[in-house]
Amino acid sequence: EDQVTQSPEALRLQEGESSSLNCSYTVSGLRGLFWYRQDPGKGPEFLFTLYSAGEEKEKERLKATLTKKESFLHITAPKPEDSATYLCAVQAQNQGGKLIFGQGTELSVKP
Amino acid sequence: GAVVSQHPSWVICKSGTSVKIECRSLDFQATTMFWYRQFPKQSLMLMATSNEGSKATYEQGVEKDKFLINHASLTLSTLTVTSAHPEDSSFYICSAILRDYHKGTDTQYFGPGTRLTVL
Repeated sequence: EDQVTQSPEALRLQEGESSSLNCSYTVSGLRGLFWYRQDPGKGPEFLFTLYSAGEEKEKERLKATLTKKESFLHITAPKPEDSATYLCAVQAQNQGGKLIFGQGTELSVKP
Repeated sequence: GAVVSQHPSWVICKSGTSVKIECRSLDFQATTMFWYRQFPKQSLMLMATSNEGSKATYEQGVEKDKFLINHASLTLSTLTVTSAHPEDSSFYICSAILRDYHKGTDTQYFGPGTRLTVL
């Protein structure tokens, strides 16, 4: 069964304190792994797609990496505005573009 | 690019009435759209897949007669909650697939969500 597990459930950081969020997955035929950011009361905002092990993508203070079993979202020197829930999702082959989501990591960055 | 809108952003209705939520892809065409609902502090739960010009495909446990989906054009899908009850109160989010035929990729872009409260 295709499954996505994110850890930790919640993460509190001080401004400038770098850290990583983990996304472990099992899927029969990975088509893509997606990272989204969701602010309270809003829809998820697309961040990255990773397609193959070893791939990395960066956007401002965020960097996503992918292995055959997990993905990491590294946050370098976070700012309070990075506070949000970060969602990881996998897309399997021959599933019509469906996403299987993890439960999310709620990130809080304190000034 | 890749903007998805939803209307209304919030709605309050009385028990027993029907509510329609619209989802539009503003700057791209989407053959496939999805409808999700989300409860507080939980992840997104897929309700159904909406394909332009054909019947929607519902996930197990989702009542198709209660949640009517119509995908009449390549930029518009609607979700109608029929005979709404308080337990239908939730945050409903749609997404639309932006297909890159050159790369062979499908990326879901999400709308801002609709907060439904049934009294």
